[in-house]
Amino acid sequence: QQPVQSPQAVILREGEDAVINCSSSKALYSVHWYRQKHGEAPVFLMILLKGGEQKGHEKISASFNEKKQQSSLYLTASQLSYSGTYFCGTEGGGADGLTFGKGTHLIIQP
Amino acid sequence: EAQVTQNPRYLITVTGKKLTVTCSQNMNHEYMSWYRQDPGLGLRQIYYSMNVEVTDKGDVPEGYKVSRKEKRNFPLILESPSPNQTSLYFCASSFRAPLAGELFFGEGSRLTVL
Repeated sequence: QQPVQSPQAVILREGEDAVINCSSSKALYSVHWYRQKHGEAPVFLMILLKGGEQKGHEKISASFNEKKQQSSLYLTASQLSYSGTYFCGTEGGGADGLTFGKGTHLIIQP
Repeated sequence: EAQVTQNPRYLITVTGKKLTVTCSQNMNHEYMSWYRQDPGLGLRQIYYSMNVEVTDKGDVPEGYKVSRKEKRNFPLILESPSPNQTSLYFCASSFRAPLAGELFFGEGSRLTVL
């Protein structure tokens, strides 16, 4: 079952912050975050494992609440290059691969 | 260079004409999978493979077949394509599953079935 992402779309000015949420109905082993530019393949941002800590990558970080089966992606002081579609992927630990959400479209305006 | 290679990148075909989309990775990854991407639906898993000769259905396997005879290759077969299989297809691989690391994607194959 696909995780639910919110919001579906966000429009920001350069320098503003954004939060993208991902929620699953099943117990999770890991949560992945990917960014996809138009016409390109998804690119890995980070992975959060059960029992792990909050991850960070430059001005992009994420958290994972195992009890609530939720993850959030935080984009701080957004740059034009952050534009794209963000996908969360969840894994239940049964070695059945990643199930992706429908994506969140992020548009950063100058 | 570490990569996942898909072919063809673009294909237009007609209903019922069998086709195969090839996928090859050079990273010695155990895990491989196929996704299709449609507007508003995100990436949906078609089939996945945890290792050679081991394949399992994903969320949308109807109308597709796969095989994993070699570790590096994971072809996607459409025995009798239909217009509802028009989509953008991605092959992906990872060191192992459960996924403790990155999923590497191919560049995608855009398929149109008339």
